[in-house]
Amino acid sequence: EAGVTQFPSHSVIEKGQTVTLRCDPISGHDNLYWYRRVMGKEIKFLLHFVKESKQDESGMPNNRFLAERTGGTYSTLKVQPAELEDSGVYFCASSQARGPTIQYFGAGTRLSVL
Amino acid sequence: GIQVEQSPPDLILQEGANSTLRCNFSDSVNNLQWFHQNPWGQLINLFYIPSGTKQNGRLSATTVATERYSLLYISSSQTTDSGVYFCAVGVSNDYKLSFGAGTTVTVRA
Repeated sequence: EAGVTQFPSHSVIEKGQTVTLRCDPISGHDNLYWYRRVMGKEIKFLLHFVKESKQDESGMPNNRFLAERTGGTYSTLKVQPAELEDSGVYFCASSQARGPTIQYFGAGTRLSVL
Repeated sequence: GIQVEQSPPDLILQEGANSTLRCNFSDSVNNLQWFHQNPWGQLINLFYIPSGTKQNGRLSATTVATERYSLLYISSSQTTDSGVYFCAVGVSNDYKLSFGAGTTVTVRA
C-alpha cells in the first residue's frame, strides 16, 4: 500500500512567485492535514480536510495560502505570492477514521523562497 | 493551546548505548505519536501511544497520561538511529497534532 506522497520534494522560487504543492493521501483516508516547519520553529498545523470539506483551517497563516481538495482525493496548497518567511518544509498527513487516530506523514516538500 | 516540551534538546551517543527521551505535555491528551525524522526529512511513525507501553524491536515507549508525560527508550543504539525525534499530541475534539521541538540524536560509531 502506497504511503502519503508529496510533490515536489523540493521547490526553489523567487519572492513574489506562485508555488503549488500537492499531496496524495493514503487511499481510503478521508482525513488530510497540512503542517509546516519554518526555519528554527516547531512543526505547526495548518489545516484539516474531511473529504473535500475544510474542517479546521485555524493554522493558515494568511490569505496568501489556499488549500483545496477537489473530490476528496488529493490536495493542493498554493502560496501566492510567496514571501521569504514562507520557506520551510511543508508536510502532509492523512488518517482513516474520525477522532483520535494515527496520522501518517509524507516526506514533505522543502520550499525555498529567495 | 497545549504545550509540548521535549528533553533533552540534543543527545550524543556512542553506538551500543541506551537512552531515554522525554515528552511532557500540559493538558490531557487522547492522541500521542512519536516520530523519527531521518536525514532525508521523512517523518517516520514510531509509536501511536496515548497511554500504556509498547515495544518495537530496540525501541519502546511509555505514556503516563495521568502525569502528562511520555518516554521513548532507545536500546543498543545504532548509527541509523541518528536524526530528530518528535513527540506530537492531540487533545479531545481536536484532530490536529501539536509538536514538540524535537530531540536531535547523534549516534557515533
